[in-house]
Amino acid sequence: SQKIEQNSEALNIQEGKTATLTCNYTNYSPAYLQWYRQDPGRGPVFLLLIRENEKEKRKERLKVTFDTTLKQSLFHITASQPADSATYLCALGTGGYNKLIFGAGTRLAVHP
Amino acid sequence: GAGVSQSPRYKVAKRGQDVALRCDPISGHVSLFWYQQALGQGPEFLTYFQNEAQLDKSGLPSDRFFAERPEGSVSTLKIQRTQQEDSAVYLCASSLWDRGGNQPQHFGDGTRLSIL
Repeated sequence: SQKIEQNSEALNIQEGKTATLTCNYTNYSPAYLQWYRQDPGRGPVFLLLIRENEKEKRKERLKVTFDTTLKQSLFHITASQPADSATYLCALGTGGYNKLIFGAGTRLAVHP
Repeated sequence: GAGVSQSPRYKVAKRGQDVALRCDPISGHVSLFWYQQALGQGPEFLTYFQNEAQLDKSGLPSDRFFAERPEGSVSTLKIQRTQQEDSAVYLCASSLWDRGGNQPQHFGDGTRLSIL
């Protein structure tokens, strides 16, 4: 069956460290993958998009990798800050009209 | 500029009542999506519009759920004869369209629906 798995446990890290979040999928062949941030009571906010033919994408302190052989994406936040505390969602896109299939999200808590 | 706007932000209804949830997408966005998000889960796709055409309604849980976008801008999600299991946050998202589909989606803050 098709599945998207993100770290189910909350990730607690110290301010200044690098946070690494994992997104694994099975039985999908995504054309691209997107990462979103969601704060409590708010809608998801787009962060980064990476296409199947790209290995890595960066934006400021954010970096995402996409390994279609391992069926995995890693999302890194370097020099993390308490303001980075939120739930991070990965979403697979299969092309066409941009329908997204979301994982359950990983809650990140950055402690001062 | 204005983002995606949803109303109401909160809706409480008694089981069996009909509800209507509104979404105002970003002006000029061709694509509009509705998602349902249960507590602790990611958004789950309900339906997709390209302008006024509903091209995919495969995620609608039952025939009690109905969505429309008659003029290709504002959309309404209607739930008839609500049940307790309909309690969730309903999110609307809009995006530009391209052939490859790989556009960021812009989400509203959702309507939290509680069925008593």
